[in-house]
Amino acid sequence: DVKVTQSSRYLVKRTGEKVFLECVQDMDHENMFWYRQDPGLGLRLIYFSYDVKMKEKGDIPEGYSVSREKKERFSLILESASTNQTSMYLCASSGASGGSYEQYFGPGTRLTVT
Amino acid sequence: KQEVTQIPAALSVPEGENLVLNCSFTDSAIYNLQWFRQDPGKGLTSLLLIQSSQREQTSGRLNASLDKSSGRSTLYIAASQPGDSATYLCAVRGGKLTFGQGTILTVHP
Repeated sequence: DVKVTQSSRYLVKRTGEKVFLECVQDMDHENMFWYRQDPGLGLRLIYFSYDVKMKEKGDIPEGYSVSREKKERFSLILESASTNQTSMYLCASSGASGGSYEQYFGPGTRLTVT
Repeated sequence: KQEVTQIPAALSVPEGENLVLNCSFTDSAIYNLQWFRQDPGKGLTSLLLIQSSQREQTSGRLNASLDKSSGRSTLYIAASQPGDSATYLCAVRGGKLTFGQGTILTVHP
């Protein structure tokens, strides 16, 4: 079974802090994604990566950066956390298994910025 | 720009009913469509993936169909159970995955 894990289920940070969210997948997937999910707005893509050291902006990259130094790990960085970044953050991965690129999600990190 | 709409937004049914969730999308140039389930406060669990060349996929009591030309997919749940209560999301993959807003399903005993 594909497993995507995220470093924290719940996180509380103060405004202005630098925040790191870590995601690890164990299926050798080339693609990894970061989404945020907010009531009424659904899932929105922040950044994705299709290879080590490669990254692409999604729909809402402002205020975020990412790092992918190893194939299995994709980090989301909030350089200076703000209250409007309070959200559920979901990591996902996908690979070319059978050509499907089925996406698998982690359990999510509920981030609260106070 | 791809838009995905799910109807109804919420559905409440008694246990044992068969039910259908609907998903429509505006751009038929897709690679595949995926149905997910999300329990409150949790991540998404992939239920079924239908490739653009396929018409349907089945897994246990779930059956998903795809009509790419009309931009529609349905998720059929047979003999619903309280444990099926969750939010169901569909997502279509063109260049990226675009999600609908979800259908909140409640199955009451």
